[in-house]
Amino acid sequence: GESVGLHLPTLSVQEGDNSIINCAYSNSASDYFIWYKQESGKGPQFIIDIRSNMDKRQGQRVTVLLNKTVKHLSLQIAATQPGDSAVYFCAENMSGGGADGLTFGKGTHLIIQP
Amino acid sequence: DAGVTQSPTHLIKTRGQQVTLRCSPKSGHDTVSWYQQALGQGPQFIFQYYEEEERQRGNFPDRFSGHQFPNYSSELNVNALLLGDSALYLCASSYLLPHEQFFGPGTRLTVL
Repeated sequence: GESVGLHLPTLSVQEGDNSIINCAYSNSASDYFIWYKQESGKGPQFIIDIRSNMDKRQGQRVTVLLNKTVKHLSLQIAATQPGDSAVYFCAENMSGGGADGLTFGKGTHLIIQP
Repeated sequence: DAGVTQSPTHLIKTRGQQVTLRCSPKSGHDTVSWYQQALGQGPQFIFQYYEEEERQRGNFPDRFSGHQFPNYSSELNVNALLLGDSALYLCASSYLLPHEQFFGPGTRLTVL
């Protein structure tokens, strides 16, 4: 079975609101986690990553939280914009990033309401 | 600086045929990974190439094979195509450690 999964297949938010996308993982040996954004007809685009020695990391309008105790990952997007509409995937591996394959979840489709 | 490029963009084959997909990694990257993404699903890891050798493999049959060239570009070959092989095939490049993997736009393969 998949090591990484998502709680909700679709998330609808109002433009300007904050979005929170959740992800559960089952492999306690994973030490690297990434969020990707995939727009229709395109490949996944890197958003932000976090390593297991951290519990929070911030980027531009995005924050990733990692709770290793319950094996939960979340992506927070501040002031959601129409351009944020996409499918969001969390992914993991055990080698810190470039080496070894990533295990992806099924994805959450983020829909922005005007 | 060109990112990851893949060719062709789209491809239509029939069952039993063979297909070759190509990937050029982002400049400076030495590692190429291939993924299969079925419609509505997350990408699934096929294999990874580093120093012209298959370094790691996911749960895919031997019909899926690959190659990496000295310039780090890579090919994915699929033999004896099945209808279930229809998917978006993604290539990702990276440094071996510890950096993130960058994805190309993918090749959409349809098997009829």
